Parts: sequence; structure tokens; C-alpha cells
Amino acid sequence: AQSVTQPDIHITVSEGASLELRCNYSYGATPYLFWYVQSPGQGLQLLLKYFSGDTLVQGIKGFEAEFKRSQSSFNLRKPSVHWSDAAEYFCAPLPGGSQGNLIFGKGTKLSVKP
Amino acid sequence: EAQVTQNPRYLITVTGKKLTVTCSQNMNHEYMSWYRQDPGLGLRQIYYSMNVEVTDKGDVPEGYKVSRKEKRNFPLILESPSPNQTSLYFCASTGASSGELFFGEGSRLTVL
Repeated sequence: AQSVTQPDIHITVSEGASLELRCNYSYGATPYLFWYVQSPGQGLQLLLKYFSGDTLVQGIKGFEAEFKRSQSSFNLRKPSVHWSDAAEYFCAPLPGGSQGNLIFGKGTKLSVKP
Repeated sequence: EAQVTQNPRYLITVTGKKLTVTCSQNMNHEYMSWYRQDPGLGLRQIYYSMNVEVTDKGDVPEGYKVSRKEKRNFPLILESPSPNQTSLYFCASTGASSGELFFGEGSRLTVL
């Protein structure tokens, strides 16, 4: 069965520190891959996406993600976290590029210490 | 401004009283979807629609109905709400090729 896993439920980092949020998926073929961010009280916003090509993709707000086929992973990174990055982050694979039952990971909540 | 609009944003109701949460998008998107968000469970898809008059079940469709009579609207109907449907609901839409979902701001529903 298709699945997506975000192993870390809650991560706390200090402002200015680097960040990596993990995402692993299990699909028959490489899906399209998305990361979304949900700020408190808000809807979800797209951070970045991977369809094909360069395995390191850049997104908004200084985020990047690296696709690793061998590990079935699409981890989100940021070199220096800002207090405004405190939010919940969701990984979402889209199988075969076809819209349908688009599932989300359970999310990783990021807290930022001053 | 491109947007997905949900109403109501907040609602408290009682068990068994039918309600409808409306969703409208102004981007001419073919695909629309409803999710519910619960603590520790993330976002789970309720129903989705690939186009007008085409709808399909997601992971948690029980207790919900949808319709897609017009491209821009995708209402979520709770015929007989129960307390386990207390949740935060999101509507989303996307165009045919982009895959990027555009989300509404959410509707927080409490069923007493």
C-alpha cells in the first residue's frame, strides 16, 4: 500500500540553527513530491515540489529539499531557522502525477527557541 | 486574487442537524478535494472531485456527502453530524497539471 512517513512528530531548534525534516514514502513508482507548511490558524501553503530532474529543489522562505531515490526520501532543509518558521510541515507524495487520493504525512511540528 | 473560500469558518452544531460547508474557488481548477485535520492524524482526505459531476471517496468518506454541479463549487454535506465529526476541515483545489494544492483557510466544526 502507498504510504508516507514523517518520523518526527515535534522538533525544537534554536533560532539560527539548521533544520532537517524527514519524509519517507512507499510507492511503486517515484511520485511527485510536495512539502506544505501550515502556520498556526492558517491553511496550508506550498513550500516546494519535485517532479523530475535536479534532485535538489529550492522553495520559498529559504527552504530546500533533496530527493533521494535510493532511500525513498524527500527531506526538507533550511540552513538557518527563523522564529517565523515555527509551524507544522507536511510531506505529500502524488502518485504518478495523477490527482486523486492525495495523502499527506502526519506532519512535523517545528518549534523555534529564541 | 486567486483563492479558495470556505464558509462557515467556525460552526457549533448539535448531533443530527444537517449542515453544509461551502467551498468555492476562482481559479477554474478541475480538481477539488476535502480534508479533515485532527491532532496526531494529520490531514485525511474525505472526498475529491476530478471535474464537474465526477466525485470519488477518499480515505474517510463515512458520514459525508459531496456534490460538484459547477466547476467552482464543491460543498461538503453532513447529513446527520455526530461528535466524531468535530474537526478542522479544509477544501483544496488544483489545476490539471501543476499538482500544487491551493487550500482554503479552514472550517472548524464542533458537533455537540
